[in-house]
Amino acid sequence: RKEVEQDPGPFNVPEGATVAFNCTYSNSASQSFFWYRQDCRKEPKLLMSVYSSGNEDGRFTAQLNRASQYISLLIRDSKLSDSATYLCVVRNTGFQKLVFGTGTRLLVSP
Amino acid sequence: DTEVTQTPKHLVMGMTNKKSLKCEQHMGHRAMYWYKQKAKKPPELMFVYSYEKLSINESVPSRFSPECPNSSLLNLHLHALQPEDSALYLCASSLVGGLGDTQYFGPGTRLTVL
Repeated sequence: RKEVEQDPGPFNVPEGATVAFNCTYSNSASQSFFWYRQDCRKEPKLLMSVYSSGNEDGRFTAQLNRASQYISLLIRDSKLSDSATYLCVVRNTGFQKLVFGTGTRLLVSP
Repeated sequence: DTEVTQTPKHLVMGMTNKKSLKCEQHMGHRAMYWYKQKAKKPPELMFVYSYEKLSINESVPSRFSPECPNSSLLNLHLHALQPEDSALYLCASSLVGGLGDTQYFGPGTRLTVL
């Protein structure tokens, strides 16, 4: 079983739609959680950190459920420019190593 | 400014060549990382430097040799690579490598080994 699991997609949505991605992690000692965005042939870029209380940044909302060990990302009012791969990333206590999920591909169409 | 720079952007090398990848950051970060990313796969950690000392080596073959000359620079020396080493090599940095740290990635070097 992979330590961080994501649905690879692709998720095909029209502009303006709301889309949600989930990610599960297997290590209950995981302490830090992030969503990164990666465009084709580009580097990963931090989208947002994920906190237990949940956090929102504009059209993006991230939630963490420690009991069920999953992380979610909600994108409202999707834009064409949101088309990318979204990487769920976890860091475990005492380690500098990030553990990446395989990514979820989002395609937003006109 | 959250910028990590990498040179070169593209590199083609033969299996007998020796080349180096360079990474630089001026954000005062004291942890620097090398990742390898194959197509349609997530980045895989190769090395971590913390305060200019190697702290993690993810069992990377010795044909990859990292070097951290100072707190702003990170090199990856390549020698006798194989075609399967062709990939995007990403450098990242973070403040101190702690729990809440954010890692910032450079644009990567796309390496092709012939």
